[in-house]
Amino acid sequence: AQSVAQPEDQVNVAEGNPLTVKCTYSVSGNPYLFWYVQYPNRGLQFLLKYITGDNLVKGSYGFEAEFNKSQTSFHLKKPSALVSDSALYFCAVSAINNAGNMLTFGGGTRLMVKP
Amino acid sequence: GAVVSQHPSWVICKSGTSVKIECRSLDFQATTMFWYRQFPKQSLMLMATSNEGSKATYEQGVEKDKFLINHASLTLSTLTVTSAHPEDSSFYICSARPSPGSGANVLTFGAGSRLTVL
Repeated sequence: AQSVAQPEDQVNVAEGNPLTVKCTYSVSGNPYLFWYVQYPNRGLQFLLKYITGDNLVKGSYGFEAEFNKSQTSFHLKKPSALVSDSALYFCAVSAINNAGNMLTFGGGTRLMVKP
Repeated sequence: GAVVSQHPSWVICKSGTSVKIECRSLDFQATTMFWYRQFPKQSLMLMATSNEGSKATYEQGVEKDKFLINHASLTLSTLTVTSAHPEDSSFYICSARPSPGSGANVLTFGAGSRLTVL
């Protein structure tokens, strides 16, 4: 079975500071890894994904994530946070042999960026 | 980019009535669509996988007779909550997986539908 852990329910950061939202995963075989963002009363918006290739993945809105196979992690990062980045962030994993059919989501991390 | 539309975005209904939620892929074909349910401050829970032209596959614990899913075309899947009760109140989100060759290559989510059952 595959699983995702987002150990922090909430991350607080001051505007302009770097942010990190943590994600670790467990899956049989090689993973597809995703980050999604959810604004209040909205669906999910795709941020970025890792399939193969460079461990550092760049995505929308200046976000990036680093795939670390040995630590089974895929932490989301941004060099300089904006107040508008405040939202709920979900990490998701799928085994490659599922071809993205079975996405398992983490519990979500609320990011609060204060001016 | 790929867009998935959900309708309605908000719905309030009386207990015992049925509610239909539509999920449409606007600019790509989706052989497979997924339905999720999200409780307040919780993650998404996959309810079922909807495949065009065939019966949906439900996750364990999801009542298929209560949550009817129809995927009649490559761009439309519907979720009908039958005989809704207050405990069915939730945020329902669909996502669509592009068919091979459709041009899109990422799972795209709808904006969600908030159901409130009185």
